[in-house]
Amino acid sequence: GQQVMQIPQYQHVQEGEDFTTYCNSSTTLSNIQWYKQRPGGHPVFLIQLVKSGEVKKQKRLTFQFGEAKKNSSLHITATQTTDVGTYFCAGDSGGSNYKLTFGKGTLLTVNP
Amino acid sequence: GAVVSQHPSRVICKSGTSVKIECRSLDFQATTMFWYRQFPKQSLMLMATSNEGSKATYEQGVEKDKFLINHASLTLSTLTVTSAHPEDSSFYICSAIKRGAYNEQFFGPGTRLTVL
Repeated sequence: GQQVMQIPQYQHVQEGEDFTTYCNSSTTLSNIQWYKQRPGGHPVFLIQLVKSGEVKKQKRLTFQFGEAKKNSSLHITATQTTDVGTYFCAGDSGGSNYKLTFGKGTLLTVNP
Repeated sequence: GAVVSQHPSRVICKSGTSVKIECRSLDFQATTMFWYRQFPKQSLMLMATSNEGSKATYEQGVEKDKFLINHASLTLSTLTVTSAHPEDSSFYICSAIKRGAYNEQFFGPGTRLTVL
């Protein structure tokens, strides 16, 4: 079945440093979504990427979708303590039921 | 935005009993809901896809007779853990699809199940 791999598993940074998490799917995706889960909370939708090579920005967050639609990345510039949480990528293979396969997530901690 | 609620938020039960968890979409209709299980500091594992008015679709390795799913209305899906055992202790999260530009999943706050 479809697998979505995400690295690194953990990342600890000093406030102000940049952060990147990478996601790789074993199959070509229809779209990829990114979610953030704060400690003790539930996943919250951040963004969806659909087009090959697509790049989207949300303030300090930059999301990229690979040309082959199999990999993606999330880059945070100048991290803040509010960025703490686990970032999950989730791949949609395009089935009619919108089922997502989640990566294992990257836990980001930020030292103030 | 869209709001999904889950009830109860926490439940502690004795081994052998059954526990029902409700997932509701409060301000939109959801023909499709998903049930996930999440172990501490781990990812979300999809258990099943719940479709309104039809049988749920279970992922490989998930026992349908143990995890009963009912999606009787466009705003409510229930997960019943039957004859619960300590190994069923986990964080159960539901999500609902809101049809629109992104068809993103809106997650409920989760239910922490502890089986003694």
